[in-house]
Amino acid sequence: NAGVTQTPKFRVLKTGQSMTLLCAQDMNHEYMYWYRQDPGMGLRLIHYSVGEGTTAKGEVPDGYNVSRLKKQNFLLGLESAAPSQTSVYFCASSPKGDRPLGFGQGTRLTVV
Amino acid sequence: SQQGEEDPQALSIQEGENATMNCSYKTSINNLQWYRQNSGRGLVHLILIRSNEREKHSGRLRVTLDTSKKSSSLLITASRAADTASYFCATDGSGSARQLTFGSGTQLTVLP
Repeated sequence: NAGVTQTPKFRVLKTGQSMTLLCAQDMNHEYMYWYRQDPGMGLRLIHYSVGEGTTAKGEVPDGYNVSRLKKQNFLLGLESAAPSQTSVYFCASSPKGDRPLGFGQGTRLTVV
Repeated sequence: SQQGEEDPQALSIQEGENATMNCSYKTSINNLQWYRQNSGRGLVHLILIRSNEREKHSGRLRVTLDTSKKSSSLLITASRAADTASYFCATDGSGSARQLTFGSGTQLTVLP
């Protein structure tokens, strides 16, 4: 039982490049979330999903897209990376909306 | 926008002392959660307190919630060097996914 696994752990992108961050959970959780963490700002919600095939926007969705084709995976895409997207990205999951979140270890993304 | 705001932003204490962190929020909540983050790692859930609860204990942790003042406190008793981490409060939203909104955190340093 690995919990929540994020791939990759580190990445450097050039402005305008695209990439996909993968989040996988093996706990059969319905809810999955993508957050970004910037210095001094805590975590901000990008997108979330309440079940397979569903996605919804969070607080800071612009510049990102997500997909939840399989229950265990939640993908975060950057179509055209910008320096403002330099951040640490965390994926989280929970069995229900009012339960504690289990977090992945994070992906540190730098856009130059 | 961030719902929860922690105070102080940074706290440095000696091993064996108690550490108290406070969290204030703006709107009505269903529950409030505290998370811990070690440097370079993902967040780990510590404790959840529901809006109809006033106090909750877990090991050396004690959490209080005052809904009339829209505030919560986290007390760590008999602190250890291993408690050095950032601590975040998170409040749930009113949406169906009950997505959490995180504060900017308190950086706790416990000196040996």
